[in-house]
Amino acid sequence: EPEVTQTPSHQVTQMGQEVILRCVPISNHLYFYWYRQILGQKVEFLVSFYNNEISEKSEIFDDQFSVERPDGSNFTLKIRSTKLEDSAMYFCASSEGWGLGSYNEQFFGPGTRLTVL
Amino acid sequence: DAKTTQPPSMDCAEGRAANLPCNHSTISGNEYVYWYRQIHSQGPQYIIHGLKNNETNEMASLIITEDRKSSTLILPHATLRDTAVYYCIVRVDTGNQFYFGTGTSLTVIP
Repeated sequence: EPEVTQTPSHQVTQMGQEVILRCVPISNHLYFYWYRQILGQKVEFLVSFYNNEISEKSEIFDDQFSVERPDGSNFTLKIRSTKLEDSAMYFCASSEGWGLGSYNEQFFGPGTRLTVL
Repeated sequence: DAKTTQPPSMDCAEGRAANLPCNHSTISGNEYVYWYRQIHSQGPQYIIHGLKNNETNEMASLIITEDRKSSTLILPHATLRDTAVYYCIVRVDTGNQFYFGTGTSLTVIP
């Protein structure tokens, strides 16, 4: 069964450093997403991406964050200058379609645990 | 977005049906109800979704009331591996993101 994969599974970084989290979405999916979950809190939407453009973003997704699809398979989330409060589990997701209805269920990866020291 | 209300926790005996309720009294006519679950900080896993009619797949059944103000997710024969947090989500009709609430923590007891 196809699945979303994410690397690394755990990333430790120093405050102020840049990190790149990587995701390989399901191959025939066209829509890509990043969510995050701070320990003990809700899963929060960050950004959605389609056709090499950001479709939607939340207020969490400020100028410190960027996303990119550098090639035909990877989807990345970059945090330019990490803060302590960026420590969280980051989930990548992908979907075949968009909007309401069928074919747009989002499939999530296993997550990358980011720890900022 | 239509808010959902779920009980914070439930227990279910292994092998029995687990019935997880969700209230979404402000749901709009074209908004779908989705169910996801999250097993111990893993990525959320899609279970099922529906609009008006009851739905069934290999994982679960979804029963939506006629007025669409509430729904029930049914796991017909719960196993220990079904222990997870279950999220009932109503999709906003102006965007593609999912808004996860606090969900129901289901514990399947041997």
